[in-house]
Amino acid sequence: DVKVTQSSRYLVKRTGEKVFLECVQDMDHENMFWYRQDPGLGLRLIYFSYDVKMKEKGDIPEGYSVSREKKERFSLILESASTNQTSMYLCASFGTGSTEAFFGQGTRLTVV
Amino acid sequence: QKEVEQNSGPLSVPEGAIASLNCTYSDRGSQSFFWYRQYSGKSPELIMFIYSNGDKEDGRFTAQLNKASQYVSLLIRDSQPSDSATYLCAVEASGYSTLTFGKGTMLLVSP
Repeated sequence: DVKVTQSSRYLVKRTGEKVFLECVQDMDHENMFWYRQDPGLGLRLIYFSYDVKMKEKGDIPEGYSVSREKKERFSLILESASTNQTSMYLCASFGTGSTEAFFGQGTRLTVV
Repeated sequence: QKEVEQNSGPLSVPEGAIASLNCTYSDRGSQSFFWYRQYSGKSPELIMFIYSNGDKEDGRFTAQLNKASQYVSLLIRDSQPSDSATYLCAVEASGYSTLTFGKGTMLLVSP
């Protein structure tokens, strides 16, 4: 069974903390993505990666960075968490030649 | 900025009726189109994809694509209360392997 797993389902962090959100896929997919989803704004692309060590900015990269040291793992980093980064974060992946994207279960992050 | 537009709804239909969900997109070079279903508090799941103009049927679902009009739709026949969810239209950006999502249409199917 296809699996995209995010490390935490719920997370509460304090303003100014450095936050790591982890995503692991077991499908040998090249392409991995981080989205955030907010009411009324839909899914917005933060960063994506086509391959190990590769990263590309999406539509809203400010305040975030990413790391992809291994093919199966794509990490989203909030360098200094702020309250406006309170959101649902969704990781997704798909393989080359197929844009059938699979999503992780999501991480609901609250920054207080 | 590439855009994908959907009516936010809610779209309310009675059980057994046909639900029609619509989506327009701005990137004329887009080639691949997807419909995702998202239940409240859950992550999106892919239910249909379409690449060519015309209709594509899968069980109770039919996706329709008109590239000239930059329009894609999803029909759900014999709607069930379990179909109540938010439906997200996604478009693959031309030249990139990324998906741009609409904000979603909430569908409510009443028994």
